[in-house]
Amino acid sequence: AQTVTQSQPEMSVQEAETVTLSCTYDTSENNYYLFWYKQPPSRQMILVIRQEAYKQQNATENRFSVNFQKAAKSFSLKISDSQLGDTAMYFCAFSRDNTPLVFGKGTRLSVIA
Amino acid sequence: KAGVTQTPRYLIKTRGQQVTLSCSPISGHRSVSWYQQTPGQGLQFLFEYFSETQRNKGNFPGRFSGRQFSNSRSEMNVSTLELGDSALYLCASSLAKGTAEQYFGPGTRLTVT
Repeated sequence: AQTVTQSQPEMSVQEAETVTLSCTYDTSENNYYLFWYKQPPSRQMILVIRQEAYKQQNATENRFSVNFQKAAKSFSLKISDSQLGDTAMYFCAFSRDNTPLVFGKGTRLSVIA
Repeated sequence: KAGVTQTPRYLIKTRGQQVTLSCSPISGHRSVSWYQQTPGQGLQFLFEYFSETQRNKGNFPGRFSGRQFSNSRSEMNVSTLELGDSALYLCASSLAKGTAEQYFGPGTRLTVT
């Protein structure tokens, strides 16, 4: 079974600074998808970024980018120019076609003014 | 396009009662998945429906059941409620079978007293 590990339960960052959230996963599959979801205090789970395992290029969405290291089974999220609205729980998730999402325990990020 | 909607948003029930939660997916999405989120266990997969058929099922007791209607709307039912069923129940929809990318609703907060 696949597992996803987020080793940082809590992190904080100053507004406008850069922060990196870590995620590792365990799988024997070659084709899969990785995601970062954001869950602010409103509880709405929002898809931040996705990465297909077959793509070598790291995904980027505005201020959010990932560092995908397939051999190391590592999938970190970098948030640049952090904003107060980035304060949330961040979940790393793994999936393959026809299987449900497997989530990590989450990292609580606080952006400090 | 409207997002995933869930009703009700908040619910308080007594032990032993049953409850039904509803989820309407994004228009055109045919797959609906349900997840339970608790502080202790994190996000756990309940079940997934596609074209009115249950495709995947998580490791939950038979008190948890669901169904999907021809318009892709889904309901989940929990019978004989226990205190441990208190949780945020999240519904997610995706475009088709096998599509890994899921979009979440705001959740239903269930409190069992």
